[in-house]
Amino acid sequence: DGGITQSPKYLFRKEGQNVTLSCEQNLNHDAMYWYRQDPGQGLRLIYYSQIVNDFQKGDIAEGYSVSREKKESFPLTVTSAQKNPTAFYLCASSIGDRGGPQYFGPGTRLLVL
Amino acid sequence: SQQGEEDPQALSIQEGENATMNCSYKTSINNLQWYRQNSGRGLVHLILIRSNEREKHSGRLRVTLDTSKKSSSLLITASRAADTASYFCATAPSGGYQKVTFGTGTKLQVIP
Repeated sequence: DGGITQSPKYLFRKEGQNVTLSCEQNLNHDAMYWYRQDPGQGLRLIYYSQIVNDFQKGDIAEGYSVSREKKESFPLTVTSAQKNPTAFYLCASSIGDRGGPQYFGPGTRLLVL
Repeated sequence: SQQGEEDPQALSIQEGENATMNCSYKTSINNLQWYRQNSGRGLVHLILIRSNEREKHSGRLRVTLDTSKKSSSLLITASRAADTASYFCATAPSGGYQKVTFGTGTKLQVIP
């Protein structure tokens, strides 16, 4: 089955700790995205990548980092510099970067202990 | 920044009724998309309408686009309990690559 997967489903972070959220796709899509969703809110773009080994900051990149070493994978690290990390994190991919449909993973809910 | 603003924020209807949601945006667009999100899940792409199109249908969904008013509407006909979800519009600005931006969503409840 083709699709986009995220793990874990729930993640707990202790203060001062960095945590990494996984995102994998087997759709052969070039572009991948990370969004943050707060309760009752829309999606805010954290980072996006149009091609392997390249990525750009979105609207709320501070406190986050990413890598794109493989086409299939786009992990997101929530660093200790992100002071309010509790949110629902969504990864998405698209065929190109010209504003076409995005395909979303099931999300990771990050909670702070 | 949020490009699209949905209206209403929440909508409750009886099963079998039609549901209409509206989206307004601010800048010129290449296309506008609608997505559905069930509680605690990822978004699912429903339909894309290009800036040179005025109306598009997909099953029980009807989308209209008025670029002069910078607005779009999503109509779900003969609603079902399974349509209960949040619906988001997303806009892809015109003029080369710019990121798609999502609105704040309409929460639809369909009562059986």
